[in-house]
Amino acid sequence: DADVTQTPRNRITKTGKRIMLECSQTKGHDRMYWYRQDPGLGLRLIYYSFDVKDINKGEISDGYSVSRQAQAKFSLSLESAIPNQTALYFCATSGGFPKNIQYFGAGTRLSVL
Amino acid sequence: GENVGLHLPTLSVQEGDNSIINCAYSNSASDYFIWYKQESGKGPQFIIDIRSNMDKRQGQRVTVLLNKTVKHLSLQIAATQPGDSAVYFCAEPEGSQGNLIFGKGTKLSVKP
Repeated sequence: DADVTQTPRNRITKTGKRIMLECSQTKGHDRMYWYRQDPGLGLRLIYYSFDVKDINKGEISDGYSVSRQAQAKFSLSLESAIPNQTALYFCATSGGFPKNIQYFGAGTRLSVL
Repeated sequence: GENVGLHLPTLSVQEGDNSIINCAYSNSASDYFIWYKQESGKGPQFIIDIRSNMDKRQGQRVTVLLNKTVKHLSLQIAATQPGDSAVYFCAEPEGSQGNLIFGKGTKLSVKP
């Protein structure tokens, strides 16, 4: 089984709908991240969390919100989806310093029509 | 698969040849670097890392070289195989909290 699991793997939704992407991990890591990936733009950080009580905005947090329900669970919500949120979304975890290697889930492909 | 390779630099190599993928980093104070591999339809996968006090680190069929003078990192893949076809990108830490900054990547295509 994957250490970092994202659900759903694919989602098509309509403009204005609220959707939630979920991430769970079995690595026992404290840190969790949400990224989006667009062609030619690489990975961009949306939100990150260093523990259950710590939530931080990343580079592109507008239009998104997150919830850290437990150490192992970190969900990303789009309150009112818009077409330019069509992208690949990745969740990642890390164990922190000294080497903050991040381990990624398989991704969620989201299309907003 | 997903179009993560669009608009990326592309390296095309013959199966069995060696591949060299390059990365320029921005922060001369970065103390470690990571290489990731992303196959079509999958998430980025950690390959190898290197600390700034090293010039070279070897893994299985992969070697990472670090040139701090010119802030350049390279990933060498020996005897490239079709399964090596993927997008490769480097990452360096950002700021004091240790988040990562990812490069945009290079697409490696292996010709049989």
